[in-house]
Amino acid sequence: NAGVTQTPKFQVLKTGQSMTLQCAQDMNHEYMSWYRQDPGMGLRLIHYSVGAGITDQGEVPNGYNVSRSTTEDFPLRLLSAAPSQTSVYFCASSNTIPDPTSMNTEAFFGQGTRLTVV
Amino acid sequence: AQSVTQLDSHVSVSEGTPVLLRCNYSSSYSPSLFWYVQHPNKGLQLLLKYTSAATLVKGINGFEAEFKKSETSFHLTKPSAHMSDAAEYFCVVNKGTSGTYKYIFGTGTRLKVLA
Repeated sequence: NAGVTQTPKFQVLKTGQSMTLQCAQDMNHEYMSWYRQDPGMGLRLIHYSVGAGITDQGEVPNGYNVSRSTTEDFPLRLLSAAPSQTSVYFCASSNTIPDPTSMNTEAFFGQGTRLTVV
Repeated sequence: AQSVTQLDSHVSVSEGTPVLLRCNYSSSYSPSLFWYVQHPNKGLQLLLKYTSAATLVKGINGFEAEFKKSETSFHLTKPSAHMSDAAEYFCVVNKGTSGTYKYIFGTGTRLKVLA
């Protein structure tokens, strides 16, 4: 089972460049999300989607765009990279939306993309 | 507002001794709670999850966690640490209201296992 696949694993960008981080899942999950991981701050939610065509902002959305044209794919776009976006990015998918009253929710994570902006 | 607090950023134990990683949560109802592990340069792997079926939850690799509502805690334990347990551990809660559900991560606890 592929699970959640992120590409690329590593990327170096120059300030001002744009790029797209890819995320694909083969579990038919409706809920997908992007996080960034910075030292001492845990994982912070950037954007999420509850289904194809539906996206919303998380805690730290500035500088990032997302779209969800299919259930499987949830790309994250950096329009104009900045050094502050140097981070490790994780994509996650979940069998349900993380409703606190749902007792059957679980998130699956990709292997991460290590991005450096110089 | 912080929903998950991991009380220690670093924990060091000797191999073969018990592990205790502490997590407290804040929620107006009983949430689902998770522990994830991240080994160096790897993704996140689910260790265990609490979903109200039982307050003592057993996970992979000998880890377990006990949900204590009165203390709003979900501490992770293991009776005997192994060198391969050295990693970063995240306590996670799902929360939100209709339309804004999300997973909230603690800031992580880095576990070091000494030979």
